[in-house]
Amino acid sequence: DQQVKQNSPSLSVQEGRISILNCDYTNSMFDYFLWYKKYPAEGPTFLISISSIKDKNEDGRFTVFLNKSAKHLSLHIVPSQPGDSAVYFCAASGETSGSRLTFGEGTQLTVNP
Amino acid sequence: ETGVTQTPRHLVMGMTNKKSLKCEQHLGHNAMYWYKQSAKKPLELMFVYNFKEQTENNSVPSRFSPECPNSSHLFLHLHTLQPEDSALYLCASSPSTGGRSYEQYFGPGTRLTVT
Repeated sequence: DQQVKQNSPSLSVQEGRISILNCDYTNSMFDYFLWYKKYPAEGPTFLISISSIKDKNEDGRFTVFLNKSAKHLSLHIVPSQPGDSAVYFCAASGETSGSRLTFGEGTQLTVNP
Repeated sequence: ETGVTQTPRHLVMGMTNKKSLKCEQHLGHNAMYWYKQSAKKPLELMFVYNFKEQTENNSVPSRFSPECPNSSHLFLHLHTLQPEDSALYLCASSPSTGGRSYEQYFGPGTRLTVT
């Protein structure tokens, strides 16, 4: 039973436009959510996070939105740049699970010049 | 060296071989993790160590044997693996396993192929 799902395996956008990556979760005990970015031949790197007490967190070009009632979060990248091309993983954790992170399958983002 | 390093980066081994993966973190963290990433699947947590003590074994087969001699080093000893064990093995660290230290820092991974 996969508790964190990224239903789009890939996304392609034009440089300068907005990229929207989506993530759904099923476990209502999750209260902290993270996005990681992974380039080929490198490990995932932390990008941005959000606590369930918020519905939005912004860091430069990256904004994460959380809709708790829908158990859905999204990552917006605007404007998108070719260097943003990578695999993006959504991850979730809850107070009862400590440091255990449950990851989604990842979405390959390609930003075309 | 900074961050989290892993060696080797690539490994090809036969099913009867014994090999070890090494992870080292230079971040002063107290928790370390092993993950497995198979093609088209989410990262799967394998083991968690906190202050050198194993705190989680996610039902991993005994052909995978972790070792954590200190908070900076983590090993994964491999023996009699199966072809389906071929995957990217990622090491990560975090300040601890408690509290809100959820931001884990990953190494580049070891690409393992079992023939």
